Amino acid sequence: AQTVTQSQPEMSVQEAETVTLSCTYDTSESDYYLFWYKQPPSRQMILVIRQEAYKQQNATENRFSVNFQKAAKSFSLKISDSQLGDAAMYFCVIWDNNNDMRFGAGTRLTVKP
Amino acid sequence: DVKVTQSSRYLVKRTGEKVFLECVQDMDHENMFWYRQDPGLGLRLIYFSYDVKMKEKGDIPEGYSVSREKKERFSLILESASTNQTSMYLCASRPGTGSGNTIYFGEGSWLTVV
Repeated sequence: AQTVTQSQPEMSVQEAETVTLSCTYDTSESDYYLFWYKQPPSRQMILVIRQEAYKQQNATENRFSVNFQKAAKSFSLKISDSQLGDAAMYFCVIWDNNNDMRFGAGTRLTVKP
Repeated sequence: DVKVTQSSRYLVKRTGEKVFLECVQDMDHENMFWYRQDPGLGLRLIYFSYDVKMKEKGDIPEGYSVSREKKERFSLILESASTNQTSMYLCASRPGTGSGNTIYFGEGSWLTVV
């Protein structure tokens, strides 16, 4: 079975600075997708970024980027120029071809003005 | 715009009551899911459905059942609610086959069982 570990229950960052959220996972599959989802206080889950395991290039979406290390099974999220609206719970997610989607326990990010 | 709608945002039910949580998506997605979210545990899959009238158990199906009579609607049923089912329930959907398809979530239903 796949597992996802987020070792940082809480993180904080100063507005305009950079923060990295950690995620490690375990899977026996060679083909899978990784996602970071954001859940603000409104509780609506929002897709932040996705990474295909077969791609070596790290995904980037504006201020959000990932460091995908397939051999180490690591998938960290970097948020640059942090904004107050980035405050949320962030979930690391792995999804394979067997419809097995696993979530980490989440990291609560606080952004200080 | 993509829309997954959960009919009830906040519910309070008594122990032993039968509870229905409804979810509707307007994107013609084949796959629909029910998750439970608890602090420190992330999201855990209760049931999912990949077609009308089809269902598969997730990680924590005990105490729950589901119904999918129409493609757009996926209902979660608590036959006899218990206090340990107090939680946030999230419905989600995604299109067809292929693990890379984005999954879309509803806004969640807070259920308190007293």
